[in-house]
Amino acid sequence: KQEVTQIPAALSVPEGENLVLNCSFTDSAIYNLQWFRQDPGKGLTSLLLIQSSQREQTSGRLNASLDKSSGRSTLYIAASQPGDSATYLCAVDSSASKIIFGSGTRLSIRP
Amino acid sequence: EPEVTQTPSHQVTQMGQEVILRCVPISNHLYFYWYRQILGQKVEFLVSFYNNEISEKSEIFDDQFSVERPDGSNFTLKIRSTKLEDSAMYFCASSARDYYGYTFGSGTRLTVV
Repeated sequence: KQEVTQIPAALSVPEGENLVLNCSFTDSAIYNLQWFRQDPGKGLTSLLLIQSSQREQTSGRLNASLDKSSGRSTLYIAASQPGDSATYLCAVDSSASKIIFGSGTRLSIRP
Repeated sequence: EPEVTQTPSHQVTQMGQEVILRCVPISNHLYFYWYRQILGQKVEFLVSFYNNEISEKSEIFDDQFSVERPDGSNFTLKIRSTKLEDSAMYFCASSARDYYGYTFGSGTRLTVV
């Protein structure tokens, strides 16, 4: 059974810093991994999708990497801004019928 | 950019009542899903739907839950007799094809009193 873990659960950094969020999964036989952003009380916004054959994906200041063999993904945020404050979720597709979410990292960027 | 639309955004219902949560997936998507998130907890899978039938369902998705695609655009989740523990944010999602990534709606916050 696939399990997804995100560390740390919460992170607070000053504005302008680069930061890394971590996601690990127990079953390396995945089809893809998706990173989402969730603002308080809101929906899930897709940030990046990495297929199992890919090593990384980039969108603006965000870069996500995937190491399938070790069951890990990282989300790198460059030059963080207060508007980046949100909860970041990773989700793994390993069954073709559903994706499994981690519990998220709550990120706070201090001005 | 195409969106998944969910209505209502917030629904309050009395315990034991039936509720229907509505979703309009992205028009060319073929795979549809319901997830829920109890306050402060993980986003949990409920059910996936393809070709007018359920592909997979979780243990949460018991006999009080049902899904339907009544026409070419809507996708609904029905809870027959709501319980206090059904209070949660319910998310609908759709995907164009297998392994193509999911697009989520903004959710329906269900409060059972």
